[in-house]
Amino acid sequence: RKEVEQDPGPFNVPEGATVAFNCTYSNSASQSFFWYRQDCRKEPKLLMSVYSSGNEDGRFTAQLNRASQYISLLIRDSKLSDSATYLCVVTSAGGYQKVTFGTGTKLQVIP
Amino acid sequence: DAGVTQSPTHLIKTRGQQVTLRCSPKSGHDTVSWYQQALGQGPQFIFQYYEEEERQRGNFPDRFSGHQFPNYSSELNVNALLLGDSALYLCASSLERERFRDEQFFGPGTRLTVL
Repeated sequence: RKEVEQDPGPFNVPEGATVAFNCTYSNSASQSFFWYRQDCRKEPKLLMSVYSSGNEDGRFTAQLNRASQYISLLIRDSKLSDSATYLCVVTSAGGYQKVTFGTGTKLQVIP
Repeated sequence: DAGVTQSPTHLIKTRGQQVTLRCSPKSGHDTVSWYQQALGQGPQFIFQYYEEEERQRGNFPDRFSGHQFPNYSSELNVNALLLGDSALYLCASSLERERFRDEQFFGPGTRLTVL
């Protein structure tokens, strides 16, 4: 089983739609969770951190479920500019954090 | 405020050759991590440098080595290149004293093609 798993997609959604991605992780000792956005042939950029209490940033909401070991990202009112690959990132506890990326979920917002 | 910079942006090499990639961290950052991202995959952690020493390493062979300089910049060296080394190589920087944040800032990457 992969340490971090994501549905690769692509998710093709119309503008204005709500879309949700999930990411599961296998290490129960994982301590930090992030969503990164990566545009085609560009570097990953931090979208948001994910906390146990959940967090929201405008149209984006991230949730963490430690019991079931998954994190989610919800995008409301999708824009064309949201088209990108969304990478789930998990860091594990220990002396130095081990950073593991998922393979990414591709989102295509259609006019 | 300068972000993470990497050079070169693109590189073409042949099998068996050696390559050196360079990274300058975000201003004020002291920790540099290197990742390999193959097409269609997420970035894979290669190693991390802090205080000019490699302190953590992913599952990569010894052909991959690195260095960190006193100014915190870093190099990634790959010897005896294989076709499978073709990938986007990403450098990420962070600040050790804010390690609890687990936040990294990525450079634009170097796209290496091995023929």
